[in-house]
Amino acid sequence: GDSVTQMEGPVTLSEEAFLTINCTYTATGYPSLFWYVQYPGEGLQLLLKATKADDKGSNKGFEATYRKETTSFHLEKGSVQVSDSAVYFCALRNTGGFKTIFGAGTRLFVKA
Amino acid sequence: GAGVSQSPSNKVTEKGKDVELRCDPISGHTALYWYRQRLGQGLEFLIYFQGNSAPDKSGLPSDRFSAERTGESVSTLTIQRTQQEDSAVYLCASSLARGAGETQYFGPGTRLLVL
Repeated sequence: GDSVTQMEGPVTLSEEAFLTINCTYTATGYPSLFWYVQYPGEGLQLLLKATKADDKGSNKGFEATYRKETTSFHLEKGSVQVSDSAVYFCALRNTGGFKTIFGAGTRLFVKA
Repeated sequence: GAGVSQSPSNKVTEKGKDVELRCDPISGHTALYWYRQRLGQGLEFLIYFQGNSAPDKSGLPSDRFSAERTGESVSTLTIQRTQQEDSAVYLCASSLARGAGETQYFGPGTRLLVL
């Protein structure tokens, strides 16, 4: 069945460092891919998405490119801030359109 | 506008008791989803509603779990005879429609602790 694998955390970075959180997926067909973020004490919210191959999703300085050839959707940010400390979830939804499959989440700590 | 709301925000119960969790989706959203998030883990899909019907109940962990939705609005997730393993955050999400690219909007969750 469909699945999502993302790098284990926690990831600890200093402010202004470059961030990469790896995500790979297994799916039949042509899924849509998502990154969700969960800030401390808050609910899950969509960070960015891409609905077809080679699309780049971006938001708040974060980017991820849908790579069908490597079945990947790695999350990147050029310069992280303390306020980016959160748990990041990679997810996919296939063309059936109702079940979203989530990765286990990667906790990011950013130190001042 | 208002987002997805869930109640209660926290629930502590004794093993063997029944609990009912409520979700109010965003007005006009036809699709509604329930997920479970155990401590330190990702989200586990439980059930999906399109309108008032649930085409896929395959994620429900056992027959102690049931859910319903009325009026294409409020949904309730009921857990009967709760067990300690049911302790988790239960998240509800809604989306305007069902498509693969549709954005799901999540509620704040109900944190359930079974003693």
